[in-house]
Amino acid sequence: EAGVAQSPRYKIIEKRQSVAFWCNPISGHATLYWYQQILGQGPKLLIQFQNNGVVDDSQLPKDRFSAERLKGVDSTLKIQPAKLEDSAVYLCASSLQGATGYTFGSGTRLTVV
Amino acid sequence: KNEVEQSPQNLTAQEGEFITINCSYSVGISALHWLQQHPGGGIVSLFMLSSGKKKHGRLIATINIQEKHSSLHITASHPRDSAVYICAVRVTNKLIFGTGTLLAVQP
Repeated sequence: EAGVAQSPRYKIIEKRQSVAFWCNPISGHATLYWYQQILGQGPKLLIQFQNNGVVDDSQLPKDRFSAERLKGVDSTLKIQPAKLEDSAVYLCASSLQGATGYTFGSGTRLTVV
Repeated sequence: KNEVEQSPQNLTAQEGEFITINCSYSVGISALHWLQQHPGGGIVSLFMLSSGKKKHGRLIATINIQEKHSSLHITASHPRDSAVYICAVRVTNKLIFGTGTLLAVQP
């Protein structure tokens, strides 16, 4: 079974630039999550999708972060404009209904300079 | 106080040692996950527990629902076990993460 695919693996950008991350979940997984993990901390949920609808985006900094999951499959997370404190690993995860089969992608390491 | 606490935060062991990482939580949960994260950032799910004990190779995970406590044990540790081990509890459809335990196994 293919895992959760994320790209790119690494990204370095200057502050105030824009960046986008892509996630392809496991086939059939209705729920998709984006997490931000700052060095030395546990992952923090940014947004949770159920199919193509948003279930929870309470911790998403909406002034600069946006995410979409068109057609309920792939998802993109965008930061515009980036700040230094956005440097982190951005993890995508997917699961079946009720968080069964929870699987993480390899993450995208973002460095903002 | 975090809802999920792990101990120790850092652990250094010699190859072959028996290792225990602890996780305590303060909320009602439907399941608990143990995750492994290597320096590259990717997270691998090791176990999902709702009761009792599970074993996979040299890894053993236990959970005591009444005491709200879980342990991850590694027998005959090896340098390739060096990673961050994260405890995460499932509350409804969300995961709440601990801050992780950084394990370094020296040859």
